[in-house]
Amino acid sequence: QVQLQQSGAELAKPGSSVKISCKASGYTFTSYDISWIKQTTGQGLEYIGYINTGSGGTYYNEKFKGKATLTVDKSSSTAFMQLSSLTPEDTAVYYCARGIRGTGWFAYWGQGTLVTVSS
Amino acid sequence: DIVLTQSPTTLSVTPGETVSLSCRASHSIGTNLHWYQQKTNESPRLLIKYASQSISGIPSRFSASGSGTDFTLNINNVEFDDVSSYFCQQTQSWPRTFGGGTKLELK
Repeated sequence: QVQLQQSGAELAKPGSSVKISCKASGYTFTSYDISWIKQTTGQGLEYIGYINTGSGGTYYNEKFKGKATLTVDKSSSTAFMQLSSLTPEDTAVYYCARGIRGTGWFAYWGQGTLVTVSS
Repeated sequence: DIVLTQSPTTLSVTPGETVSLSCRASHSIGTNLHWYQQKTNESPRLLIKYASQSISGIPSRFSASGSGTDFTLNINNVEFDDVSSYFCQQTQSWPRTFGGGTKLELK
């Protein structure tokens, strides 16, 4: 069955970076895009962007350009999101989700990774 | 960006009731609107795609309708298991956006 397994919770200091992973299994990794979504209590769900797991091409929501960097390792069927120059406003649960190329809705989600930014 | 406004923010219902949740888009999005259910401390789960298309494995008491700017998610015979937040998402344009959610509570 399709599974997206995300890495564990992160506690990071302001100004630092974190890299979250999303390991896919149960399907052909390069046939589906991986998107990343941020969830906070105050802002709800925000779409960060996606990566074409076959070509490595990316799209970023303008709001997250310079903040998030999306990459993939096809050999391990894993997608990554690096968040840089962290501030307390980056404290959130981050989800990866699998999307059918060209559609944008998500039938499969990772379990979420909590990133806490605090000094 | 397309703004999705969900109402009400919170809905308190009695088991067995039928409820309607609203999602309004700031611009016409055709039927490129999808609904998710999210229980506390869980990931969202896709309920409905393209405004009204059912998803395999989702109970038939969940249905939805709408097009353009006005969309509705209906839950017939609400059950205790339906206590969740419900979100809409548009895929008409970039960036994809989500509504602020409706939290369903039981009386």
